[in-house]
Amino acid sequence: QKEVEQDPGPLSVPEGAIVSLNCTYSNSAFQYFMWYRQYSRKGPELLMYTYSSGNKEDGRFTAQVDKSSKYISLFIRDSQPSDSATYLCAMSYNAGNMLTFGGGTRLMVKP
Amino acid sequence: GAVVSQHPSRVICKSGTSVKIECRSLDFQATTMFWYRQFPKQSLMLMATSNEGSKATYEQGVEKDKFLINHASLTLSTLTVTSAHPEDSSFYICSAREQDRDGYTFGSGTRLTVV
Repeated sequence: QKEVEQDPGPLSVPEGAIVSLNCTYSNSAFQYFMWYRQYSRKGPELLMYTYSSGNKEDGRFTAQVDKSSKYISLFIRDSQPSDSATYLCAMSYNAGNMLTFGGGTRLMVKP
Repeated sequence: GAVVSQHPSRVICKSGTSVKIECRSLDFQATTMFWYRQFPKQSLMLMATSNEGSKATYEQGVEKDKFLINHASLTLSTLTVTSAHPEDSSFYICSAREQDRDGYTFGSGTRLTVV
């Protein structure tokens, strides 16, 4: 079993839809949780960064962490075709540690 | 914001030759940088942790003599793929974290093709 599980998709939604992306993990020692967006042939770009449990909102993006369930989510409101990319969840034990990535979910937002 | 510059973005080399990839933190100092490898439609796999002024720490299964990492300054880490073979063809990405800043910043990646 992988430390971090993420549905690979692809997930196809119409423009304007609310998108829900999720990851589950097995190691309760993870404290820092991140979501990255990666366009084809580009490096990952940090979208959201959260510590411990709770919600964080930034524009159209909301990240949720439920440590009791070992489950994290990223919601995208009013999705746009430009949101089409692969979304990677990542987590670490502390702020300076290496990241453990999920496998990534490919999202396609159709106009 | 923190910027990590990675060069080259693409390189094609002949089998048996060596290729050097550079990763620079442009506006911050990075005592630690991370090197990842990514195959098509797969996630990032950590290869090694590069520490300024000391030897890199390699993940299990990564050949340290094949993937040479040098972190000679606080802003530069290099990955050299020695005696490259077609199976080394992949997307290589570096990342660094600016102290007291949330998250890690990634370079734009290097697509290596060995022919």
